[in-house]
Amino acid sequence: QSVLTQPPSLSAAPGQRVTISCSGSSSNIGNNYVSWYQQLPGTAPKLLIYDNGKRPSGIPDRFSGSKSGTSATLGITGLQTGDEADYYCGTWDSSLRTVVFGGGTKLTVL
Amino acid sequence: QITLKESGPTLVKPTQTLTLTCTFSGFSLSTSGVGVGWIRQPPGKALEWLALIYWDDDKRYSPSLKSRLTITKDTSKNQVVLTMTNMDPVDTATYYCAHTPRGSGARFDYWGQGTLVTVSS
Repeated sequence: QSVLTQPPSLSAAPGQRVTISCSGSSSNIGNNYVSWYQQLPGTAPKLLIYDNGKRPSGIPDRFSGSKSGTSATLGITGLQTGDEADYYCGTWDSSLRTVVFGGGTKLTVL
Repeated sequence: QITLKESGPTLVKPTQTLTLTCTFSGFSLSTSGVGVGWIRQPPGKALEWLALIYWDDDKRYSPSLKSRLTITKDTSKNQVVLTMTNMDPVDTATYYCAHTPRGSGARFDYWGQGTLVTVSS
């Protein structure tokens, strides 16, 4: 059972927009920065979003992040088949004094 | 550019101690604000954070695994070592090391390729 809650799976058609939610509490998302990771099959996670909504160099602006209260959201527009992956949110939990990750969301682009 | 690579045994027996080494390049662990973390992922499951070490030797551990983990750094060799005692089959996972800026929460911006460790007799 992950501290951060994500939907286990989502599916959408190419070209569409999808949002992935990440729900937490005041001890984690509510008072700390959120990061998002993309993990393509058989590869290491890749940082997509940090500090709630910033993109590292090289990440296309089709990917966006936002935070409101104790929830965060990853948005992906113009879906491509190459976006099929597992997506994880992560943040620091001030009470547990640990990095916490969500359970991951498997995105299918069909 | 920043690269990291994990190394260590692919198979360990139950009760044994696992020692993993993260060898990195493109940054120094003597630079203020720099950290290296370890994260693992059991087959088909989610990411789990294990430990962090910063340039000033500040160390953080997952509370649930703290009694079994030790993280150290060798700045001269550009390496971070993680040891985990009393290994169990449930510890079978891909173990990743990753670069992280201090105070960035869960921001791991560069990852190693990971190394699969199987715990079995």
